[in-house]
Amino acid sequence: QVQLQESGPGLVKPSQTLSLTCTVSGGSLSSGSAYWSWIRQPAGKGLEWIGRIYAGGNTNYNPSLQSRATISVDTSKNQFSLKLTSVTAADTAVYYCARYSSSSGRYFDIWGRGALVTVSS
Amino acid sequence: DIVMTQSPESLAVSLGERATINCKSSQSVLYSSDNRNYLAWYQHKPGQPPKVLIYWASTRESGVPDRFSGSGSGTDFTLTISSLQAEDVAVYYCQQYYSSPHTFGQGTKLEIK
Repeated sequence: QVQLQESGPGLVKPSQTLSLTCTVSGGSLSSGSAYWSWIRQPAGKGLEWIGRIYAGGNTNYNPSLQSRATISVDTSKNQFSLKLTSVTAADTAVYYCARYSSSSGRYFDIWGRGALVTVSS
Repeated sequence: DIVMTQSPESLAVSLGERATINCKSSQSVLYSSDNRNYLAWYQHKPGQPPKVLIYWASTRESGVPDRFSGSGSGTDFTLTISSLQAEDVAVYYCQQYYSSPHTFGQGTKLEIK
């Protein structure tokens, strides 16, 4: 079955760019009606959807982060990525990649295990 | 954005007893063209990713025990655990997927009394 795995630096300095990659295994990122999202959870807080991408490159972002977030896809590597610019301590969180299918409902049925990213000098 | 508000923020229930979590959306998530509520419930345990329990407000995900059930329509929804088990200790979130951005409730922490 499809599995997701986040990877990237666990420590980022303030004002720099956070970069994470999600590798899709057990299936093709390009198959079917799947959309691929990034979601984050700051310590002690709730879940925040950052944005999503379709295999063809179409993206949609949370307006709260749209000016700083970029999601891209590399179908040859079966990966999609998140870049978040000008980070501050408020961006410290566990970052999850997740999938939803537009054909079965836009709920998140598959999640990665999450990657903790700390913003600190 | 659709704001999702859960209640209570925390809940302590005895083993074998019923647990009820409520979720209210700031606008209806019932899509008139298909008469479906675009609402999901997730269970989140420490160190694990969230796991979908319920979608379309009342459809149980494959493999989810039948003690979990979802109900409600429009703006008011409920997740019920009919007989609490020790492994149900977690934070529970509702999420609307009616419109972008997807939004989650603030979470309800469920503990054993």
